[in-house]
Amino acid sequence: DAGVIQSPRHEVTEMGQEVTLRCKPISGHDYLFWYRQTMMRGLELLIYFNNNVPIDDSGMPEDRFSAKMPNASFSTLKIQPSEPRDSAVYFCASSLGPSGSYEQYFGPGTRLTVT
Amino acid sequence: GEDVEQSLFLSVREGDSSVINCTYTDSSSTYLYWYKQEPGAGLQLLTYIFSNMDMKQDQRLTVLLNKKDKHLSLRIADTQTGDSAIYFCAEKVNNAGNMLTFGGGTRLMVKP
Repeated sequence: DAGVIQSPRHEVTEMGQEVTLRCKPISGHDYLFWYRQTMMRGLELLIYFNNNVPIDDSGMPEDRFSAKMPNASFSTLKIQPSEPRDSAVYFCASSLGPSGSYEQYFGPGTRLTVT
Repeated sequence: GEDVEQSLFLSVREGDSSVINCTYTDSSSTYLYWYKQEPGAGLQLLTYIFSNMDMKQDQRLTVLLNKKDKHLSLRIADTQTGDSAIYFCAEKVNNAGNMLTFGGGTRLMVKP
């Protein structure tokens, strides 16, 4: 398996623009997680899905952030409008359900810079 | 609530052993994990331990779990410069779905 795939790897955009980050989880994994990592706040869980359904979105910073999972092999995280304080590395991770040992596998991340 | 704490920084000389420590607060943790993050990369799972174990060894890595003190450690034997990275511990808490709670990470610097 190729592991968790994220695109783009780097994104530079201007304040006010819409940004869409993409993730393809490991095939067969039924949990998908979106995290944000910054120097100031460390690693923060934004939202996670189980079987394509959002389970906990309490970490989503505000209404400018939205996430979807239209099928088991694809998820998006959208920021509209983007702001400079959204600059961070965004990670997607996936894991197997209760039959596994719950470990999460991370993608390489998308480094977002909002100017 | 759950909280996972780690020291921020550790510096060792090449060839020495490194010990990275972690404390957690939730006694219902079922699994505990160690992840490694190299610059510009995602978090890579190194190893994990089930809560009914007190030690797990995997080549140069030894994980020790003290459930009474809620203390987890990762020992890296014969530390190499390639081990320089940020190390995160994480816990899986009962009744929290598949969520993991991560510590803030310990930056390990290995000097030649």
